[in-house]
Amino acid sequence: QSALTQPASVSGSPGQSITISCTGTSSDVGGYNYVSWYQQHPGKAPKFMIYEVTNRPSGVSNRFSGSKSGNTASLTISGLQAEDEADYYCSSYASSNSWVFGGGTKLTVL
Amino acid sequence: QVTLKESGPVLVRPTETLTLTCTVSGFSLSNPRMGVSWIRQPPGKALEWLAHIFSTDEKSYSTSLKSRLTISKDTSKSQVVLTMTNMDPVDTATYYCARILNWGFDYWGQGTLVTVSS
Repeated sequence: QSALTQPASVSGSPGQSITISCTGTSSDVGGYNYVSWYQQHPGKAPKFMIYEVTNRPSGVSNRFSGSKSGNTASLTISGLQAEDEADYYCSSYASSNSWVFGGGTKLTVL
Repeated sequence: QVTLKESGPVLVRPTETLTLTCTVSGFSLSNPRMGVSWIRQPPGKALEWLAHIFSTDEKSYSTSLKSRLTISKDTSKSQVVLTMTNMDPVDTATYYCARILNWGFDYWGQGTLVTVSS
């Protein structure tokens, strides 16, 4: 159960698009379509943003989208807004009824 | 309305056992589509999945912490309990409980900060 690999930081200007990658192995990201993404603002609990790789829960902006290729999943945020500045975490179901998180990515909106 | 709320001690001494309770509302712990996990986050660091309990009472644990963790539930009280033995200062973290639905953690508690210090 090694942590998934995310870039430590990404940045973009308002209105731009950014993509955060999440790399695992064939035992987690590559083996299941059960990747989810979370947004966390300072001092707050994580918020559910994407599930099963591409699906958005009710109430989440369609500016957020997910995808996967092989062992790497990605979160894309289009039309960046100041309120998108936060930490983002990916998670994947892994073998033997376990889950694993990524190391987190700090998004800065310039 | 789905809510989860963690409760437990804010300070634990090294070598002691931590017991945390997650009280849920708005759903049943016997719902076959759902389960509850415990997840922690040391200050300034990443999230770490710890343990999960399914509606069937099947349990799963982080490989690295398995020997120290026990998860259980009381469906009648709508509570999920996590115990962690032999606490160490490196276990200082905010501990969250979260509901699983569609293989993702859709609802989270507010978290409870546990400090391990003598």
